[in-house]
Amino acid sequence: DARVTQTPRHKVTEMGQEVTMRCQPILGHNTVFWYRQTMMQGLELLAYFRNRAPLDDSGMPKDRFSAEMPDATLATLKIQPSEPRDSAVYFCASGLPLVGPQETQYFGPGTRLLVL
Amino acid sequence: AQSVTQPDIHITVSEGASLELRCNYSYGATPYLFWYVQSPGQGLQLLLKYFSGDTLVQGIKGFEAEFKRSQSSFNLRKPSVHWSDAAEYFCAVVDTGGFKTIFGAGTRLFVKA
Repeated sequence: DARVTQTPRHKVTEMGQEVTMRCQPILGHNTVFWYRQTMMQGLELLAYFRNRAPLDDSGMPKDRFSAEMPDATLATLKIQPSEPRDSAVYFCASGLPLVGPQETQYFGPGTRLLVL
Repeated sequence: AQSVTQPDIHITVSEGASLELRCNYSYGATPYLFWYVQSPGQGLQLLLKYFSGDTLVQGIKGFEAEFKRSQSSFNLRKPSVHWSDAAEYFCAVVDTGGFKTIFGAGTRLFVKA
């Protein structure tokens, strides 16, 4: 049963610290999405990769957030420095577009981040 | 710009009763529409999707949805709700660029015994 995995599942840190979240997409999937979910904003797309290349990161605060795919099996989302307003659940999703736009996105369990 | 509206923030139904969750979208052409479910502490899981063809779409867990172009709607239905269906449900549409999924705000479903 192929799944998207995310680590860590929970992270508590202090303001100003660097946070790195990792995602392993489903083997063979060539699209990766990073989302942030909060009560106030709902689900927000932060970044999108296809074949490891970033196609859209317009939803990401550029001054402190960065997203990369060092290889096809690993996507990372970094926050440096972190701020309390970054507290949220961060989801990674992967997909395999077959016909026209992207097909189903498969979501990981999320990383719950709390910045004190 | 495309948008998705889920008018109901939360809904409560009795176990065994029927369910309909509303979704309206704003899009100029034929949209690609999805329904996802999120259980507490979990990621989103696809219930069903509509790309073209038959406007009544069957999904997992006994859910179905009907695409109505005239009403710009894609409502989710289930004839008999189970307690395990309590979760948050998201309607989504793929934007004109073909990759950015726009999610509605979600509808939280409560199931009472």
